[in-house]
Amino acid sequence: AQSVTQPDIHITVSEGASLELRCNYSYGATPYLFWYVQSPGQGLQLLLKYFSGDTLVQGIKGFEAEFKRSQSSFNLRKPSVHWSDAAEYFCAVAASGAGSYQLTFGKGTKLSVIP
Amino acid sequence: DGGITQSPKYLFRKEGQNVTLSCEQNLNHDAMYWYRQDPGQGLRLIYYSQIVNDFQKGDIAEGYSVSREKKESFPLTVTSAQKNPTAFYLCASSLKRTRNEAFFGQGTRLTVV
Repeated sequence: AQSVTQPDIHITVSEGASLELRCNYSYGATPYLFWYVQSPGQGLQLLLKYFSGDTLVQGIKGFEAEFKRSQSSFNLRKPSVHWSDAAEYFCAVAASGAGSYQLTFGKGTKLSVIP
Repeated sequence: DGGITQSPKYLFRKEGQNVTLSCEQNLNHDAMYWYRQDPGQGLRLIYYSQIVNDFQKGDIAEGYSVSREKKESFPLTVTSAQKNPTAFYLCASSLKRTRNEAFFGQGTRLTVV
């Protein structure tokens, strides 16, 4: 079974600083990987996804993530954080097997932004 | 606009009552899911359905029931057997061809009073 670990429960950064949110996954084959963002009391919005190919993927809102198979990681980055980026971020993994439809989520990292 | 609609946004339940949370999608997605979210716990899968009239238990199905009579609809019933139902519930759907990319509704916050 797949699993996801987000080591940082809460991160605080200053507006304009760079950001990296960590995600480690466990899955036997090539995974499908996702980052979602959630504002308080809202649903989840997809930021970006990795299925195959180029290991550096670009997403919405200026986010990017890099898949590193050797480290089983899929870290999310942003060069310059805006106050509106304050939210909770979830990494997720899906099995790549045929007929599998389940997403497994990490426990999330809450991002606070200091003006 | 296509999307997933959850209703109601807020729901209050008395001890011992069953309540049903609605989830409707007009994205023509095959698969639908229910997740429960508690602070610091991430999202945990309750039930999922890949096709009409079929569904499977997720990791925390006890005390919940679902139906999938129509492709567009996947209601969740929180029964009196669920000992700690207060949580934020999220419904999602995905189209098989997009390899599990899930789209989420805005959630229902259920509180036991």
